[in-house]
Amino acid sequence: GIQVEQSPPDLILQEGANSTLRCNFSDSVNNLQWFHQNPWGQLINLFYIPSGTKQNGRLSATTVATERYSLLYISSSQTTDSGVYFCAALVQYSGAGSYQLTFGKGTKLSVIP
Amino acid sequence: NAGVTQTPKFQVLKTGQSMTLQCAQDMNHNSMYWYRQDPGMGLRLIYYSASEGTTDKGEVPNGYNVSRLNKREFSLRLESAAPSQTSVYFCASRVTSFFLGNTIYFGEGSWLTVV
Repeated sequence: GIQVEQSPPDLILQEGANSTLRCNFSDSVNNLQWFHQNPWGQLINLFYIPSGTKQNGRLSATTVATERYSLLYISSSQTTDSGVYFCAALVQYSGAGSYQLTFGKGTKLSVIP
Repeated sequence: NAGVTQTPKFQVLKTGQSMTLQCAQDMNHNSMYWYRQDPGMGLRLIYYSASEGTTDKGEVPNGYNVSRLNKREFSLRLESAAPSQTSVYFCASRVTSFFLGNTIYFGEGSWLTVV
C-alpha cells in the first residue's frame, strides 16, 4: 500500500516563529488531507488539498501531486498551535467508493511562549 | 449537527472480556471507518465500510469485528479483549462533494484500556 512519511517528527518553536511541515507519499493519491490533533486528542480537519495551494488564516498548505509531496506552513505560531499534525493520503482501492485514508506518523509541534 | 459521535469515551476491560464501540454519524455519509491510534504509530485503519451493508478489512483487523446495520451506524466489537488492544479508537465518516472533494471527519475518540 501507499507509504506516507512526515518530517520532522518533532518541532519546538518560539511563539511568533514560522514553520514548514513536510509530507511525502509514495504513490498517486485521490486526496491529501492535513489534520491537527490537539492536546485533548481531537482530530481537526485543516485542509483538503489534492493539489495546489490553500490558505486559512495563519495556515496554508501546498500539494505538488506530480512530485508526491505536500507542505503545511504555519506562520506567526501561537501556543494554541501545539499538538500533532498529521497528513493523510486518500487512495481508492478496488470497488466503487472504496477509499482508504493512510496516515503519516505525524509531526509533534510544541510552541513555547 | 453532532457530526460523528462515539461511545463510550473511556473504558477499562479485563483480558478476555468483550465490548462494542458504537459510532453514529448524522451527515448522511456513505463511507465509515474505524482507526486505532498508538503512540508513535499514527492512525491505522482497522475496518471500513464503503456503504450500508458492506465492510472490508483494513491494515490491522485481527481481533476485531464490525457491523454496519444502517447508513448512520458503524460499530466495532472486541470479542475477547487483549492488552495489545489498549489504544485510542477513532471512528470517521467520509463525504464526497464538489466543494469538499473527499473529506473525512473524525469522532472524538474512545480511550480503551485492557488490563
